[in-house]
Amino acid sequence: NAGVTQTPKFQVLKTGQSMTLQCAQDMNHEYMSWYRQDPGMGLRLIHYSVGAGITDQGEVPNGYNVSRSTTEDFPLRLLSAAPSQTSVYFCASSSLTGKIDTGELFFGEGSRLTVL
Amino acid sequence: GENVEQHPSTLSVQEGDSAVIKCTYSDSASNYFPWYKQELGKGPQLIIDIRSNVGEKKDQRIAVTLNKTAKHFSLHITETQPEDSAVYFCAASSPRSGYSTLTFGKGTMLLVSP
Repeated sequence: NAGVTQTPKFQVLKTGQSMTLQCAQDMNHEYMSWYRQDPGMGLRLIHYSVGAGITDQGEVPNGYNVSRSTTEDFPLRLLSAAPSQTSVYFCASSSLTGKIDTGELFFGEGSRLTVL
Repeated sequence: GENVEQHPSTLSVQEGDSAVIKCTYSDSASNYFPWYKQELGKGPQLIIDIRSNVGEKKDQRIAVTLNKTAKHFSLHITETQPEDSAVYFCAASSPRSGYSTLTFGKGTMLLVSP
């Protein structure tokens, strides 16, 4: 039972490069989200999706792009990486729709990104 | 948007003692309050949650209390063990554009000494 799978686990980028963090879940969850975790800042929501074709911005969306073409996958794109995007990124999914509350979020193991 | 404050940022206790972590939230429409435990190098994992129609919930050594009037909720861990050492996050689920999102506190590093 894989749950939420994130790739890559580690990545180093140069300023201005673009890349995609992959997230896949095998639990048939409609609700998926991306958070970034920085020291002393907790987890901050970047983007979320409540189903295929439906995405919305979170608290810190600038510099990131998402799309949701299937229920299973929710990739996060960095368009032009900046040192301020150095962080640990977590993808999470929920079995609930989000219309009442999010319910339990199931997290992946994280992707550590360094931008030089 | 929702704002969640969490205290303390670090907490050191002796094995067998109790630990209490407190959070406050700002959005009165928030209706779901989970607590997550994050071990080093791992993703956060839910340990207990409470919804706004309940005042207290217990699961073995862990309990959560919610005071909707004061907009605060707390995590209580009794008989702490070294394996309880981790970072704990509180969170609040609040409605946003027709769907809910989860806002996290900044975390509490709990260290349980043998």
